[in-house]
Amino acid sequence: DAKTTQPPSMDCAEGRAANLPCNHSTISGNEYVYWYRQIHSQGPQYIIHGLKNNETNEMASLIITEDRKSSTLILPHATLRDTAVYYCIVRVAEGDYKLSFGAGTTVTVRA
Amino acid sequence: DTGVSQNPRHKITKRGQNVTFRCDPISEHNRLYWYRQTLGQGPEFLTYFQNEAQLEKSRLLSDRFSAERPKGSFSTLEIQRTEQGDSAMYLCASSQNLNTEAFFGQGTRLTVV
Repeated sequence: DAKTTQPPSMDCAEGRAANLPCNHSTISGNEYVYWYRQIHSQGPQYIIHGLKNNETNEMASLIITEDRKSSTLILPHATLRDTAVYYCIVRVAEGDYKLSFGAGTTVTVRA
Repeated sequence: DTGVSQNPRHKITKRGQNVTFRCDPISEHNRLYWYRQTLGQGPEFLTYFQNEAQLEKSRLLSDRFSAERPKGSFSTLEIQRTEQGDSAMYLCASSQNLNTEAFFGQGTRLTVV
């Protein structure tokens, strides 16, 4: 699976949008971009995934560039409960869940 | 059943002792995964099962580690002769098939003293 690069940390104001970048320049055509987050002392939580098109669900939006070499996870209205480590992961379509998490981005939402 | 269940949530053991953790996946999820997470790092893959068959083991899984899923439902992870380096969070995840996302449990935090 392709590797990803994320900033180690970022701060966000409560109520504002949080934009989390991820670089995956070596992504292959059959690889999806997945996002998980992990709140302190809990297991990772699935957020969203996409292949080429932008995706939106009740938690977040995922914007993938046309060349698919980078993506941005958008939390539209960050709350204090969104404080967590966010992992951007590339996974082969229909591949097994041997996910390579990396270090992720520690997002701190401040009041 | 609303999620993946792991027991115990916390375990403190003396070096050299054996420990066993249990994972109950979401019902009808045929794939089950074990991960290990040390402080400040992301989870690392250890092994996975499709039903009762253990299909792959990471080289992180030394001979002291063994995992089973005897009836294709719950799974156990045993660590023999624990070492201080085994201290970590052990996470279990399950998925229904290749095309659906994996759901993680809350993990078992092991401390070897």
